[in-house]
Amino acid sequence: SQQGEEDPQALSIQEGENATMNCSYKTSINNLQWYRQNSGRGLVHLILIRSNEREKHSGRLRVTLDTSKKSSSLLITASRAADTASYFCATEDDKIIFGKGTRLHILP
Amino acid sequence: SAVISQKPSRDICQRGTSLTIQCQVDSQVTMMFWYRQQPGQSLTLIATANQGSEATYESGFVIDKFPISRPNLTFSTLTVSNMSPEDSSIYLCSVLTGTSTETQYFGPGTRLLVL
Repeated sequence: SQQGEEDPQALSIQEGENATMNCSYKTSINNLQWYRQNSGRGLVHLILIRSNEREKHSGRLRVTLDTSKKSSSLLITASRAADTASYFCATEDDKIIFGKGTRLHILP
Repeated sequence: SAVISQKPSRDICQRGTSLTIQCQVDSQVTMMFWYRQQPGQSLTLIATANQGSEATYESGFVIDKFPISRPNLTFSTLTVSNMSPEDSSIYLCSVLTGTSTETQYFGPGTRLLVL
């Protein structure tokens, strides 16, 4: 089955900087989703991008999808301390499959 | 790791009725969650099931519609009340466990169709 794999595994940046996380997957997809998980909390859906879309925005979030490279990126602009969390990409086959996530830490 | 089972695995229900979904974990876990995945959509967090206290609901979900029980650290139920066709979805139980590294595990899901 296919699986999203995030890169980097961990990322620390200064507050106010932009954070970019990448996701690669193996086979064709209908859509790709990004989720955030704060420590000890449930997964929260951020953005869903469909296979026929190349870019999508939501507030400070920007997601791109390159189906030829089987990759996606999540950009968080003007990062804040509250953005500290783990971020997961997920693809869907007969069920949603999550990658291992990127742990993002925003430094004050 | 955690092994999660859900009952029923699927059901077809009539409008206006209620269905209770059970979630059983093979080990004691602190954090249990209920998610919904509507057709073609992403996972949506319904609530966090708290042991010994009322569940914590996400925006757009209320206790009257989705009452949750968590009598102990290995078991939880989610009831979908007064169902309508819009409630047709997959409902998933999930747990978060681990000490140095938190890992989320999902149950197999309950496929609900409301006629």
